Order: sequence, then structure tokens, then C-alpha cells
Amino acid sequence: ETGVTQTPRHLVMGMTNKKSLKCEQHLGHNAMYWYKQSAKKPLELMFVYSLEERVENNSVPSRFSPECPNSSHLFLHLHTLQPEDSALYLCASSQGLAGGREQFFGPGTRLTVL
Amino acid sequence: RKEVEQDPGPFNVPEGATVAFNCTYSNSASQSFFWYRQDCRKEPKLLMSVYSSGNEDGRFTAQLNRASQYISLLIRDSKLSDSATYLCVVRSYNTDKLIFGTGTRLQVFP
Repeated sequence: ETGVTQTPRHLVMGMTNKKSLKCEQHLGHNAMYWYKQSAKKPLELMFVYSLEERVENNSVPSRFSPECPNSSHLFLHLHTLQPEDSALYLCASSQGLAGGREQFFGPGTRLTVL
Repeated sequence: RKEVEQDPGPFNVPEGATVAFNCTYSNSASQSFFWYRQDCRKEPKLLMSVYSSGNEDGRFTAQLNRASQYISLLIRDSKLSDSATYLCVVRSYNTDKLIFGTGTRLQVFP
């Protein structure tokens, strides 16, 4: 399926590196999300963008920096991460904000911080 | 107390069995309810929404009990392909955020 794509699928980085995760949706949606999924924990919402404006920043540390240049693309810029940031990072999109509307997820980027 | 609680399982059931999962939520103002399915190393996908009157989709039945603040998912005639983690998802009345449970893992064996 190519509705929501994410690159890279796997990423290993050191604590001093800077990297970016990319998400692209081909569904014509106008809301996009970043989630973090750690082992044995529920999905944690990180950021929400609606019509390219950030509407939610869920107390995420500043070492994670989102960017939404247009309604189809979403980035998550990473710098000076910690080992506990290792997780699966999922991007999702929906038509309108989440309320009552299905979210379509990308395959995720599995991040390992050494 | 967690906002959404699920038994993590795993539930190990033979093919053809009927299995039920429950999920409780803490916010009585919650308005929308969903079950998502997540296969191993894959992304979550919507399985079904949960309506106040209960709803059925083939072998899957979802029910909502507002008084006791829980939702349930019943799977009849389990198939091997039903093996996955089932995520309970709740949206509160006053936010547009979806709150996910940790998921209940189902393993169907031959």
C-alpha cells in the first residue's frame, strides 16, 4: 500500500548525530500526526498538524523538531537524541482532525539510538 | 489510572474458537471509540468503529457500555490470520486526540 509512506524504514544513529524522518501521504488528507511507539507502551501522540499548522505539541522534548512544508509532507528532525528515544516512529494522516475520523498510518521508522 | 486499559494477553486460542477482549476507559466524556489492528512489525489499521448500539462486521462484533466505561470486541470462528495485536482507541469529547491502549495480543493456532 502506498497511502502513507515513511523513510527511512530503519535508522541507527549516535547521540550526537542529526537526522530527519520523512513522511508523505498520497490520500489528499489535511491532517498529519507523529506518534512514538515503544515496547510494551501505548502509542504516544507527539505532534499534530492541521492544514500545515501545528495544533498539538504533546510535551515533546525540543530534540524532536517537526516540520510540515505542505499538506502532503511531514518531517521529524532529530538531534542529540538519547538511547531511550529508540522506538518505532509512526506517521499518520486523516481527513480533518482525528475526532471520529480514521487515521491512516505509515509503516513507521524503527529508530535505534546508540 | 491509565486512560485506556487493556489486558495485554497473549490470548492463545485454536482456530474456530470465539474470543473476546475488553477495554476500559477512564474519561466519562469520551465520545468516539475504535478498534485498530496491528500486525507484528506493521502499522496499526482501523478494524472497526464502535457505536453506542453495538455493531457487527462479519465475524467481528463491537459493543460499548457507557455506564461501566468499557468496550468489547468479539471474534467468532477465529482464523490463523486473526493473529495480531488489537488496539483499543478512545477520543475524548473535549480534544481531538486519540488515546491508544497498549493492545491485546491474539495468537490463533491450528
